[in-house]
Amino acid sequence: EAQVTQNPRYLITVTGKKLTVTCSQNMNHEYMSWYRQDPGLGLRQIYYSMNVEVTDKGDVPEGYKVSRKEKRNFPLILESPSPNQTSLYFCASRPGQGAPGKNIQYFGAGTRLSVL
Amino acid sequence: GESVGLHLPTLSVQEGDNSIINCAYSNSASDYFIWYKQESGKGPQFIIDIRSNMDKRQGQRVTVLLNKTVKHLSLQIAATQPGDSAVYFCAENISTGGSYIPTFGRGTSLIVHP
Repeated sequence: EAQVTQNPRYLITVTGKKLTVTCSQNMNHEYMSWYRQDPGLGLRQIYYSMNVEVTDKGDVPEGYKVSRKEKRNFPLILESPSPNQTSLYFCASRPGQGAPGKNIQYFGAGTRLSVL
Repeated sequence: GESVGLHLPTLSVQEGDNSIINCAYSNSASDYFIWYKQESGKGPQFIIDIRSNMDKRQGQRVTVLLNKTVKHLSLQIAATQPGDSAVYFCAENISTGGSYIPTFGRGTSLIVHP
């Protein structure tokens, strides 16, 4: 089944304790991205990657890191989480330019993070 | 329609009615638009898309209308069912130098009463 898989689905942590949220897609998509979703603000892009070893900042990158060492994986790293990073996070992927359905993003089920 | 406040706008309809969800987009350079549906506890899911060279596109029970003059997008759902209850987002997309950066609206909550 074609899907985007995020782990964990729920996470409670404390300020300053490094954490990683994993994201994996099995559709051989070139493009992957991370979003956070907050009440009243909709989806805001944190980082995106257009291919392996190519990453770029989205609208709200502060406090986050990403890496894209393999095509299928795009982990989101919070080196020193703070309470204002409490949010619902989504990973998404889509085919690259020139591919059918290139503009349609496929989202994971979300990771709800609470930073105390 | 899309909210500028802290609370999602909500549309309540009776089962079987038609629903219309509106979205105002901001950038006249946007050339591609997508509607997503997000059910409780799940990620957004693609419903239908439309390119800027079109003003209407129909899918199964859904129709998207695009008015570029006033930068307005709408999603029409025919014969709304309880399973249509969800938050609906529009996304405007701008092709920039070969990349692709979508901007999402804040969403509208659709509640379907049986």
